[in-house]
Amino acid sequence: AQSVTQLDSHVSVSEGTPVLLRCNYSSSYSPSLFWYVQHPNKGLQLLLKYTSAATLVKGINGFEAEFKKSETSFHLTKPSAHMSDAAEYFCVVSLSGGYNKLIFGAGTRLAVHP
Amino acid sequence: NAGVTQTPKFRILKIGQSMTLQCAQDMNHNYMYWYRQDPGMGLKLIYYSVGAGITDKGEVPNGYNVSRSTTEDFPLRLELAAPSQTSVYFCATRDSTYEQYFGPGTRLTVT
Repeated sequence: AQSVTQLDSHVSVSEGTPVLLRCNYSSSYSPSLFWYVQHPNKGLQLLLKYTSAATLVKGINGFEAEFKKSETSFHLTKPSAHMSDAAEYFCVVSLSGGYNKLIFGAGTRLAVHP
Repeated sequence: NAGVTQTPKFRILKIGQSMTLQCAQDMNHNYMYWYRQDPGMGLKLIYYSVGAGITDKGEVPNGYNVSRSTTEDFPLRLELAAPSQTSVYFCATRDSTYEQYFGPGTRLTVT
């Protein structure tokens, strides 16, 4: 069965310090992996995606993620947090083929303190 | 381009009432999806469509119906609303690179 586990439900950092949001996945297939961000009362916005090209993926707003097949991980990082990064982040696995089912993690709420 | 639009933004229903959540897209994407997001949870797929006239159930279809008469529109119908349907509903489309594009959501409360 395919699944996504976000290892932290809440992460709190100080502005200017690094961000690490952890995600592990389980998939029998070669997955596509995504990180989406959701600001309060907003829809989801794509941060970045991995689709079997380079294992280090750069996204918008300085975020990046590294696909590690041996660890079945796809952790999201940013060198320096900004106040505007405070939001909910979702790690998502996509099973290609068929209707492209997305499997969402439960989300990680990132708080950024001045 | 407006992308994916949803109406209404908010709605309060009484138990047993019915309503239709509207979703429209102007990106000419064949694939469209309806999700619900319960507090503190990720999104769960209700229904999806691979093109006009073709729809199918997702993970949590009970209590909902959909139709897809055009490429642009994918309405979600709630019949006999129940408190368990209190949620935020998101419509999405998918492009050829498997990226999904989400609407702003409809916040529904059933009391």
